[in-house]
Amino acid sequence: GENVEQHPSTLSVQEGDSAVIKCTYSDSASNYFPWYKQELGKRPQLIIDIRSNVGEKKDQRIAVTLNKTAKHFSLHITETQPEDSAVYFCAASKGGGADGLTFGKGTHLIIQP
Amino acid sequence: SAVISQKPSRDICQRGTSLTIQCQVDSQVTMMFWYRQQPGQSLTLIATANQGSEATYESGFVIDKFPISRPNLTFSTLTVSNMSPEDSSIYLCSSWTGVTDTQYFGPGTRLTVL
Repeated sequence: GENVEQHPSTLSVQEGDSAVIKCTYSDSASNYFPWYKQELGKRPQLIIDIRSNVGEKKDQRIAVTLNKTAKHFSLHITETQPEDSAVYFCAASKGGGADGLTFGKGTHLIIQP
Repeated sequence: SAVISQKPSRDICQRGTSLTIQCQVDSQVTMMFWYRQQPGQSLTLIATANQGSEATYESGFVIDKFPISRPNLTFSTLTVSNMSPEDSSIYLCSSWTGVTDTQYFGPGTRLTVL
């Protein structure tokens, strides 16, 4: 089955700086890669996703890049703000959003004031 | 996006008992899923809840332990049977439709087994 590795497990950045979280996946048939943000005690919230026919997608301060050859995708957050502090999970699936998701272990992002 | 609710939001149960968790979506959805999130950990897919047929379970999860029902396109239940302390987790449902082609999650049910 699919295996998703996520790094780093903890990331501390100064407010205003950029943060990058990286994931690799094992199954070349995977075609859908969402990113979820989970605040303490809350449900995971989808923040951005990318499909295998696209190399990059951006939404305001958040961007995701995908390298299918390397089976690697990354989340980029620019101009970080205190409210960006949370746990971020990457995930992968073979059937778009209609398939069960395999999650990475998560990255605890800490924004230092 | 679909609005998803779960009941109960949390529960404390005794070893050996069973708990049924409900997941309600405010609109008809094609797919519903159940995940487990152990304390401080990531999410793991338990099963896909299929409307009108048996659920599809992931490796390591079995129907006898986690029976699932999906009687219609807006509702599903997950039962955690014969519970042990190792079943203490947050259980989350999610839904998918072709309109958005994304999965949205319910608020989760926090289960503690003593």
